[in-house]
Amino acid sequence: DTEVTQTPKHLVMGMTNKKSLKCEQHMGHRAMYWYKQKAKKPPELMFVYSYEKLSINESVPSRFSPECPNSSLLNLHLHALQPEDSALYLCASSQAQGRPYYNEQFFGPGTRLTVL
Amino acid sequence: AQKVTQAQTEISVVEKEDVTLDCVYETRDTTYYLFWYKQPPSGELVFLIRRNSFDEQNEISGRYSWNFQKSTSSFNFTITASQVVDSAVYFCALSSISSGSARQLTFGSGTQLTVLP
Repeated sequence: DTEVTQTPKHLVMGMTNKKSLKCEQHMGHRAMYWYKQKAKKPPELMFVYSYEKLSINESVPSRFSPECPNSSLLNLHLHALQPEDSALYLCASSQAQGRPYYNEQFFGPGTRLTVL
Repeated sequence: AQKVTQAQTEISVVEKEDVTLDCVYETRDTTYYLFWYKQPPSGELVFLIRRNSFDEQNEISGRYSWNFQKSTSSFNFTITASQVVDSAVYFCALSSISSGSARQLTFGSGTQLTVLP
């Protein structure tokens, strides 16, 4: 099973709402990632979890709060977002052992977020 | 610093034509990995290939082939006999020890391929 799933597929929220994005993988990967992708741009890395611990936060505003409850799940909690946060949010996973730059990342289908 | 350049922003071809997507990279590291991903309109990035810097053999997988040339720092991707289902954005990406523990992929800007029936 090489599938990464993400829910919901689409999300519309107001600037005062609190919502969460969910990601799940069952490939036994111990590295998981959140990316943000604006239209016609490549994905931008937001967070990296390695063995359920946050290893990288790419200077993401605190209105985005990641959580890794276990090795298969990754959440992204959203609060007080701005319209410019509207984007496709992609989750990915990869093996964590060995040379870290060797392992390909497997991506989910993404959540299309619109902030009104 | 690492950089990946995909100079072709958009390409349109007619079905059954061959098409080559260009990728040029920059890195100071001697060990690095190159990747191609496909992103159809549905949004998911689909992993296509990984190539390490020590393996310059070209690779063919069905209608897809990749030409890796260290001398020109290029990793080009050719689709033979293109089909409408090949329409997507294609990203070339680079990862190396300079990516650090983040395992960060340095992506090119992507090439939008449109295959017309």
